[in-house]
Amino acid sequence: QVQLQQSGPGLVKPSQTLSLTCAITGDSVSSNSAAWNWIRQSPSRGLEWLGRTYYRSKWFNDYALSVKSRITINPDTSKNQFSLQLNSVSPEDTAVYYCARGYDGTGYSHWGQGTLVTVSS
Amino acid sequence: QSVLTQPPSVSGAPGQTVTIACSGSSSNIGANNNVHWYQQVPGTAPKLLIYGNNNRPSGVPDRFSGSKSGTSASLAITGLQAADEADYYCQSYDNTLSGRVFGGGTKLTVL
Repeated sequence: QVQLQQSGPGLVKPSQTLSLTCAITGDSVSSNSAAWNWIRQSPSRGLEWLGRTYYRSKWFNDYALSVKSRITINPDTSKNQFSLQLNSVSPEDTAVYYCARGYDGTGYSHWGQGTLVTVSS
Repeated sequence: QSVLTQPPSVSGAPGQTVTIACSGSSSNIGANNNVHWYQQVPGTAPKLLIYGNNNRPSGVPDRFSGSKSGTSASLAITGLQAADEADYYCQSYDNTLSGRVFGGGTKLTVL
């Protein structure tokens, strides 16, 4: 059974970097049949897909245009996890952040528990 | 303003059938991209309800069904139960944005 466990700080200062990690059990970050995503949710922006990483003989990344200049998603095969880094955050980046497993054909079948990240000084 | 448009709220009495619409465009639903539906109880992560337009993951009751036509999709819930009270979201891929997009969500109230 696939489970995703998120970790990371709940408070980040403006202009700094938001960093979250999603640990995977029951599957592999290097799976050739899965993709590993970050999605956020806020009252003002609703559910917003941020990006993904996936392995198909080599590593690929896709990022939402809205955050493309500020985001990095990296796999960590040694720990079977993946991470999110969002640079130069502002209060508009305050949201609940979720990691999720899935891709366009299957939807997001497994979700992390969510992390409320507040951007405030 | 979400790329996919849903009604803010719907309601129905126990046992009734409700339908939630999701309106898109030729760059997402109308481009033959898959539509997925999620159920979210406040304070918890979304749960996949329908994938690939009309498929139910294991464990999802057959009271939930999805359909798609042209640039729109819909979720039908039959035999409404109190436990169905939640927020529902549609999701697809948008070719113009080159990214995954969600609807704004629909709050289902069971009267």
